[in-house]
Amino acid sequence: AQSVTQPDIHITVSEGASLELRCNYSYGATPYLFWYVQSPGQGLQLLLKYFSGDTLVQGIKGFEAEFKRSQSSFNLRKPSVHWSDAAEYFCAVGHGGATNKLIFGTGTLLAVQP
Amino acid sequence: DVKVTQSSRYLVKRTGEKVFLECVQDMDHENMFWYRQDPGLGLRLIYFSYDVKMKEKGDIPEGYSVSREKKERFSLILESASTNQTSMYLCASSWAGTSGDTDTQYFGPGTRLTVL
Repeated sequence: AQSVTQPDIHITVSEGASLELRCNYSYGATPYLFWYVQSPGQGLQLLLKYFSGDTLVQGIKGFEAEFKRSQSSFNLRKPSVHWSDAAEYFCAVGHGGATNKLIFGTGTLLAVQP
Repeated sequence: DVKVTQSSRYLVKRTGEKVFLECVQDMDHENMFWYRQDPGLGLRLIYFSYDVKMKEKGDIPEGYSVSREKKERFSLILESASTNQTSMYLCASSWAGTSGDTDTQYFGPGTRLTVL
């Protein structure tokens, strides 16, 4: 069965520091992979997605993620974090079936210190 | 831009009440989804619909039902609300098909439901 693991529940970084959020998935074929962000009290906003091709994907707000098949990972990175990046981040995996269901990780809550 | 709206941002109901949560999308998407979000559990799929009047159970359908009479509107119904249904409810929509982009789901702002 498909699954997504986000091993870090909470992460705190200083403003201006680099960030890496981890995501590991379990899926037999090439997955479709997503990162979403949720600001407090809001819905989820798509940051970036990977379907095929270049394994380094650029997203909005200066985020990028790299698909590593050998490690079953899709980690999210940002070189310099801003205070406004404080939010909860969700990784998700899909398989492109007709019903397009996604499996979500449990999320990583990011706090940014001044 | 895709827009998914939910009828209420905050809702307070009493135990035993019938509760309707409404979701509307403006992108002519075939698929619509209802999730429940709880701390530490992430998003859990309650129901989804892949066409008008068509629905399938998700991972946690107990205590919920859904209705999709029009393509743009997907309603979640709590027949008899209970305190353990206090949660954040998120609606999403996506295109159907098998190309990569059709897996992208677009979310509404959420409804925080409190059942007293």
